[in-house]
Amino acid sequence: ETGVTQSPTHLIKTRGQQVTLRCSSQSGHNTVSWYQQALGQGPQFIFQYYREEENGRGNFPPRFSGLQFPNYSSELNVNALELDDSALYLCASSFMGGNEQFFGPGTRLTVL
Amino acid sequence: GDSVTQMEGPVTLSEEAFLTINCTYTATGYPSLFWYVQYPGEGLQLLLKATKADDKGSNKGFEATYRKETTSFHLEKGSVQVSDSAVYFCARTSSGGGADGLTFGKGTHLIIQP
Repeated sequence: ETGVTQSPTHLIKTRGQQVTLRCSSQSGHNTVSWYQQALGQGPQFIFQYYREEENGRGNFPPRFSGLQFPNYSSELNVNALELDDSALYLCASSFMGGNEQFFGPGTRLTVL
Repeated sequence: GDSVTQMEGPVTLSEEAFLTINCTYTATGYPSLFWYVQYPGEGLQLLLKATKADDKGSNKGFEATYRKETTSFHLEKGSVQVSDSAVYFCARTSSGGGADGLTFGKGTHLIIQP
């Protein structure tokens, strides 16, 4: 059974740029959620994708957007990067209707 | 809204000491409750869970009991090891349903000294 994988591991961008982060869900899972974890804080829910559509969203602005593909993998896109977007971005996969989420290792984004 | 409150860290203990990390949650809906662990430079690993009142989750010597009357889910271990040093997060499911993701506490950094 393959776990959740994310790429890249680390990324450095400058303010105003755009970034795309990628996630492959655990084998058999059909739902992907994204979280932002600032340094020293708990993860904050960004949004969730199921059947290639966003079906839940946290308190994040529209410049945070995503995609889910037919193989259940997912992308997180952030436009017009701000310094406060510097964080660890975590992807989690699960079964729709299940409450247990399995996390990937994360992508560390630094915005300069 | 939903929230989870954990005891502030860091918590420093000697090896073989008894561990308690307190966690309380807002009593909205009928949440499932989780403890996740994060080792340095890694993502979150599910440590244990409980889905209804009075359930006890357990794994690797850690235990936590879902207490609805006190809205608590405290993490305990009878004898900690140096390898237990990590950040521990308490989390609950959303009262709005699974599509709203998990709500996490701020985390408790545990340091075990030999």
